[in-house]
Amino acid sequence: SQTIHQWPATLVQPVGSPLSLECTVEGTSNPNLYWYRQAAGRGLQLLFYSVGIGQISSEVPQNLSASRPQDRQFILSSKKLLLSDSGFYLCAWSPGRLTTNEKLFFGSGTQLSVL
Amino acid sequence: SQQGEEDPQALSIQEGENATMNCSYKTSINNLQWYRQNSGRGLVHLILIRSNEREKHSGRLRVTLDTSKKSSSLLITASRAADTASYFCATDEGSSYKLIFGSGTRLLVRP
Repeated sequence: SQTIHQWPATLVQPVGSPLSLECTVEGTSNPNLYWYRQAAGRGLQLLFYSVGIGQISSEVPQNLSASRPQDRQFILSSKKLLLSDSGFYLCAWSPGRLTTNEKLFFGSGTQLSVL
Repeated sequence: SQQGEEDPQALSIQEGENATMNCSYKTSINNLQWYRQNSGRGLVHLILIRSNEREKHSGRLRVTLDTSKKSSSLLITASRAADTASYFCATDEGSSYKLIFGSGTRLLVRP
């Protein structure tokens, strides 16, 4: 069966420090991968998605970047964190095109606090 | 961009009552999905309804879709305290790979 791993679960970082969040999927190949951010008590904002190795689509211009160095690995990074980068970061995957009735499978999330 | 907007933002009901949440969206869609999120956790898929469907059932869940009004509703019948969570609708905006979520409805079911 497929599983998605996301770590760390919580992270407290000072302003200006770098960030690296990692997400891996097991039990499937060539998944579509997603990074979402959720502000406290709010909805999800799509940050990045990837349909293949090295293919990254950015939805919101900001202080973050994403990379997909391997088929089942998706990394969210920042060179210098801002206070506004605080939030709950969720990684997700889907087996195929969402228009063919595919759904997203989410990781357990990373709560990032930038102080 | 925020495609779906849920209404109400928060809902408090007694165990055993029905809970209805509404979602409105802006663009044409291929399908609409509903997800559930327990506090501090990832989202879990509940149900998907295609644009050519009007109603779908899954256990105690009933989803309707009105593409002419660009709206959907999620009905949870005979609610339980364990149904306490946030519920989100999500649409594809006609895109093959993007799923855009609404702001969610926070449901509290009182025992």
